[in-house]
Amino acid sequence: QKEVEQNSGPLSVPEGAIASLNCTYSDRGSQSFFWYRQYSGKSPELIMSIYSNGDKEDGRFTAQLNKASQYVSLLIRDSQPSDSATYLCALDMTTDSWGKLQFGAGTQVVVTP
Amino acid sequence: DAGITQSPRHKVTETGTPVTLRCHQTENHRYMYWYRQDPGHGLRLIHYSYGVKDTDKGEVSDGYSVSRSKTEDFLLTLESATSSQTSVYFCAISNSGGEETQYFGPGTRLLVL
Repeated sequence: QKEVEQNSGPLSVPEGAIASLNCTYSDRGSQSFFWYRQYSGKSPELIMSIYSNGDKEDGRFTAQLNKASQYVSLLIRDSQPSDSATYLCALDMTTDSWGKLQFGAGTQVVVTP
Repeated sequence: DAGITQSPRHKVTETGTPVTLRCHQTENHRYMYWYRQDPGHGLRLIHYSYGVKDTDKGEVSDGYSVSRSKTEDFLLTLESATSSQTSVYFCAISNSGGEETQYFGPGTRLLVL
């Protein structure tokens, strides 16, 4: 059983619409949550980090965390073709602060003009 | 971009040969990580380092060893390469572990024949 689950997609989103990505996890002790974006053939880059329940907004991106339900989501508003990428959910499931992240397999997003 | 380089960027080798991948950073970050990325699995942690000569195993460490003799360099060695180690290898760095962003290097594509 995977500890971090994401729908693999592809998630097809019309340009200008909202893309909604979900990530569920198994460890209730997880404290730190991250969303990375990865373009094909490139390395992951951080979009958002969130540590407490609720919403966190940064530009067109909103991360939502619900620890009781064990999910974290990412909303991309006004989706652009440049948002077409794979989005990776990552969690630090440890309590030792070494930054040992566990990643989901990623959701591919395709924004269509 | 964070100052992280990986070498080589591409390598083809034969089963049974040793292979060493190098990660070099110019950011003076304390933490360094080696991940592998395979389709359907996302990124998986191989080994990590929390200081010079301080290293520990990650999720998929069998068949790999690491060394860190200087802050800026983190070496990953495949002791006897197998076809199952064909993958894309990413190095990442972080300044303070747990809640700190991890910045990823450009990756090394390794093919073991």
